[in-house]
Amino acid sequence: AQRVTQPEKLLSVFKGAPVELKCNYSYSGSPELFWYVQYSRQRLQLLLRHISRESIKGFTADLNKGETSFHLKKPFAQEEDSAMYYCALSGLGRGSTLGRLYFGRGTQLTVWP
Amino acid sequence: ETGVTQTPRHLVMGMTNKKSLKCEQHLGHNAMYWYKQSAKKPLELMFVYNFKEQTENNSVPSRFSPECPNSSHLFLHLHTLQPEDSALYLCASSQGAGGYGYTFGSGTRLTVV
Repeated sequence: AQRVTQPEKLLSVFKGAPVELKCNYSYSGSPELFWYVQYSRQRLQLLLRHISRESIKGFTADLNKGETSFHLKKPFAQEEDSAMYYCALSGLGRGSTLGRLYFGRGTQLTVWP
Repeated sequence: ETGVTQTPRHLVMGMTNKKSLKCEQHLGHNAMYWYKQSAKKPLELMFVYNFKEQTENNSVPSRFSPECPNSSHLFLHLHTLQPEDSALYLCASSQGAGGYGYTFGSGTRLTVV
């Protein structure tokens, strides 16, 4: 069965410190992984997807198939990074529905000044 | 407004009322989704529509009734709801298999009294 695990419900760091939001997944096929972000009073929006291998707002995420992880990293956190972050998985393997995204529970990141 | 638009933004209804939530997308996407976001639970997928056909009903109670008249519009009809149904209801759309991720609406904040 598909599963996305974000072990940390809350994460706090100081401005300028490195930050890593953890995401582990279980999936029998070839997954596509995403990170979504929800800033206060704003809609949930796509931050980045592993297939693009891009860096958005200084964040990067590498898919590690051996460890089944897709951790989100930023070397120097900023106050405006404070938000709820969701890891999500999409796949076309057995039992998955076309286009369906499986979300983790989310990690609330707070960056202190 | 471009993207995914949800109306109303806020809704308060009694347990005996009947109301509908509306979602509209102008992105040319062919799949639309209803999610429930409540404070104590992760994002819960409710319904999936692909090319106007419902492809998934994630064990949602019959007091929630979706309708998808075309690929651009999605409704969620509500009747005889319970207080525990109070939550943020999110609509999303995607193109194809979701490999490009979802675009979310701002949601409807529903309160059942």
